[in-house]
Amino acid sequence: QSVLTQPPSASGTPGQRVTISCSGSSSNIGSNYVYWYQQLPGTAPKLLIYRNNQRPSGVPDRFSGSKSGTSASLAISGLRSEDEADYYCAAWDDSLSWVFGGGTKLTVL
Amino acid sequence: EVQLVESGGGLVQPGRSLRLSCTASGFTFGDYAMSWVRQAPGKGLEWVGFIRSKAYGGTTEYAASVKGRFTISRDDSKSIAYLQMNSLKTEDTAVYYCTRITRDAFDIWGQGTMVTVSS
Repeated sequence: QSVLTQPPSASGTPGQRVTISCSGSSSNIGSNYVYWYQQLPGTAPKLLIYRNNQRPSGVPDRFSGSKSGTSASLAISGLRSEDEADYYCAAWDDSLSWVFGGGTKLTVL
Repeated sequence: EVQLVESGGGLVQPGRSLRLSCTASGFTFGDYAMSWVRQAPGKGLEWVGFIRSKAYGGTTEYAASVKGRFTISRDDSKSIAYLQMNSLKTEDTAVYYCTRITRDAFDIWGQGTMVTVSS
């Protein structure tokens, strides 16, 4: 049982916009930044979004993050086949630990 | 090129110990906090622990599931972070990733090393 809650799956067709939600509590998302990671099949995770809505160099602007209260969302616009991956949200918890969501498997139909 | 390479994984019996290493290159290792994250087969990511840079005391924090059994250390002269795992349990079976922490994010990941705890 993960501390942050994500839907186990999401899907969309090429070109569509999809969103993935991440729900936490006042001790993690509610008081700290949210991060998003993309894990392509068979590879290590990659940082996608940091500090709620910042993109590292090289991450396309099709990916965007937002946060409100104790929830956060990752939006992917102009969906592409190569976006098919697992997506994880994460946040620092005031109990001095990092917490992850259970992950969302994105399927591009 | 900024890179992290884990080593030391393998098959180990329950109750035994194992030490993983994470060798960094392409950046000033001592300036960064380093973390370990694991992923059990077919499961999601689980944070294991991290070690702050010497500038912030070099102190450590651990997940409740490993506290008291796992120890993270670092050798800045060799650009290596270690994960000492004692009293291993079958539920510790996972791919262990080493990560660099920048702006509170795990911004660089190694390729991972598999640890299998089984009799």
